[in-house]
Amino acid sequence: QQQVKQSPQSLIVQKGGISIINCAYENTAFDYFPWYQQFPGKGPALLIAIRPDVSEKKEGRFTISFNKSAKQFSLHIMDSQPGDSATYFCAPGNFNKFYFGSGTKLNVKP
Amino acid sequence: DADVTQTPRNRITKTGKRIMLECSQTKGHDRMYWYRQDPGLGLRLIYYSFDVKDINKGEISDGYSVSRQAQAKFSLSLESAIPNQTALYFCATSDYLSGDHNEQFFGPGTRLTVL
Repeated sequence: QQQVKQSPQSLIVQKGGISIINCAYENTAFDYFPWYQQFPGKGPALLIAIRPDVSEKKEGRFTISFNKSAKQFSLHIMDSQPGDSATYFCAPGNFNKFYFGSGTKLNVKP
Repeated sequence: DADVTQTPRNRITKTGKRIMLECSQTKGHDRMYWYRQDPGLGLRLIYYSFDVKDINKGEISDGYSVSRQAQAKFSLSLESAIPNQTALYFCATSDYLSGDHNEQFFGPGTRLTVL
């Protein structure tokens, strides 16, 4: 069963633009909603995460928007930079067990 | 020094061979995980362990086994490797409700090729 659906699969954005990646989930028991960033040859690393009691969280240029009723959350990257070029994964879950999306490969053009 | 280490980093083996991938961590976390990553499929959970005496199957455990030798060590074995187990394997750790989140810390990965 597919618990998590991530879109788009790939994304090309010009430098300075806004990158938006979406994640839809099925399990209403999930209580932790993170986004991970992975560079080639490296393991994923936590970028930003949110709990379901808030609708938005911002850390620098990165924002998570959370819609509990729609069972969706999204990652917004403002003022995208070439250094943001990486693969991004949502990985919602609970009780320290997480379900990764299929990934979005972001390419920020200079 | 890296907090989560994996050995080997790269391995080429033949169909039918037994192979072990090892993971060690110095973070003092109680929870450890093994994932495999395939292009277009994200990371899929193979096994996870919440302490030394607790081992649980993940989404895709068939063909794999694990051993939690100590709090800091978690090994993944392929008893009889097959080509569709060719993938990038990651070990990860977490600490129950540390801080504000359940962040997972990943190792650098092991690229396994089964011929």
